[in-house]
Amino acid sequence: EADIYQTPRYLVIGTGKKITLECSQTMGHDKMYWYQQDPGMELHLIHYSYGVNSTEKGDLSSESTVSRIRTEHFPLTLESARPSHTSQYLCATTRDSGANVLTFGAGSRLTVL
Amino acid sequence: RKEVEQDPGPFNVPEGATVAFNCTYSNSASQSFFWYRQDCRKEPKLLMSVYSSGNEDGRFTAQLNRASQYISLLIRDSKLSDSATYLCVVTLSGNTPLVFGKGTRLSVIA
Repeated sequence: EADIYQTPRYLVIGTGKKITLECSQTMGHDKMYWYQQDPGMELHLIHYSYGVNSTEKGDLSSESTVSRIRTEHFPLTLESARPSHTSQYLCATTRDSGANVLTFGAGSRLTVL
Repeated sequence: RKEVEQDPGPFNVPEGATVAFNCTYSNSASQSFFWYRQDCRKEPKLLMSVYSSGNEDGRFTAQLNRASQYISLLIRDSKLSDSATYLCVVTLSGNTPLVFGKGTRLSVIA
């Protein structure tokens, strides 16, 4: 089983605050992804990275930003949280071999009041 | 047309029933296909990859029809624990992100 960790698991915060959701993996994989999912709804890819200093935007436009300074970490930041950012954010990683089998973290459930 | 389309359900079936889901994809160049399972308020987890020749894992059988651009998942002898959302996933290649369907919700009832 892959080791991918997300913190915090749950966050309730007020409008206008800066938020960073952490995602880390211990497998040394190059490919990492952030998905956003509202309850009962589909997954939307918002950011991905294929290696250090490489980041791309996904299919769903997002006001969040990401960085990939180290292979192990792929944090997601919201500079000024709004209620519309309330959602679950799922981080995932996959092997480099092209098998494209994603392993997800447990998710960060964000509520912005 | 969406890249990956699934019937959202819900499919409500009694224990022991056989249930099948289909998923269609729009890009004929798609190379890899998967079924993921997502329990309520949990992260998705890989259920099985789908191979051109079809593949079986216990009570689960996955098939790919490239000509008609659809994949299917068959669950035999449904258990209560099979209740979940089943996500169809497609990708063009190892260097393109996976595309997820909206998912099909299954409820197995005692």
